[in-house]
Amino acid sequence: GESVGLHLPTLSVQEGDNSIINCAYSNSASDYFIWYKQESGKGPQFIIDIRSNMDKRQGQRVTVLLNKTVKHLSLQIAATQPGDSAVYFCAENSPLSGKLTFGQGTILTVHP
Amino acid sequence: ETGVTQTPRHLVMGMTNKKSLKCEQHLGHNAMYWYKQSAKKPLELMFVYSLEERVENNSVPSRFSPECPNSSHLFLHLHTLQPEDSALYLCASSLHAGQAKNIQYFGAGTRLSVL
Repeated sequence: GESVGLHLPTLSVQEGDNSIINCAYSNSASDYFIWYKQESGKGPQFIIDIRSNMDKRQGQRVTVLLNKTVKHLSLQIAATQPGDSAVYFCAENSPLSGKLTFGQGTILTVHP
Repeated sequence: ETGVTQTPRHLVMGMTNKKSLKCEQHLGHNAMYWYKQSAKKPLELMFVYSLEERVENNSVPSRFSPECPNSSHLFLHLHTLQPEDSALYLCASSLHAGQAKNIQYFGAGTRLSVL
């Protein structure tokens, strides 16, 4: 999972496997969460979001799970493809400031 | 293509130079942001503009000077930078600032190297 530190967490999977990327967020009052994907040489790209009144949300090949009890967010990617290789960030929205706070990121590498 | 365009994509400058980064969004958004992305660190919010008014300045050194002439354009003027300012500078926009479900859309960034 993501944490503040000197090394980005990494996840290596084989093509076709399912991937799970984890994120621990800090503010129990955060009301909205986003997952971003950042490929090499590009800016972060929106993948999926979830409000704090939900536990699960599904998109195309991606599912986000939210556990507010332990302040944990996960992104599940089904049938991972080489094109999914990127850095994945979670972001939490503070209802007081309206600002997004980003996690450090997890490097996902998909091997053919 | 995210609808947010940044130029230049790469910039090398000396510590005594003055340069500017440009961001343009074609999404009809009212809020624009500057972030700094350094290696192995989370995105750092620098400035927020809402309807061309600066609403956030996250203790950024004065050698970084933002400008927002209209809701579609954002600039970051740079002068007398330090080598530690080398990073990827990302621009983002969102429909409004300070609201829930505030999806921010990012440009590809400007890779800045200060020599």
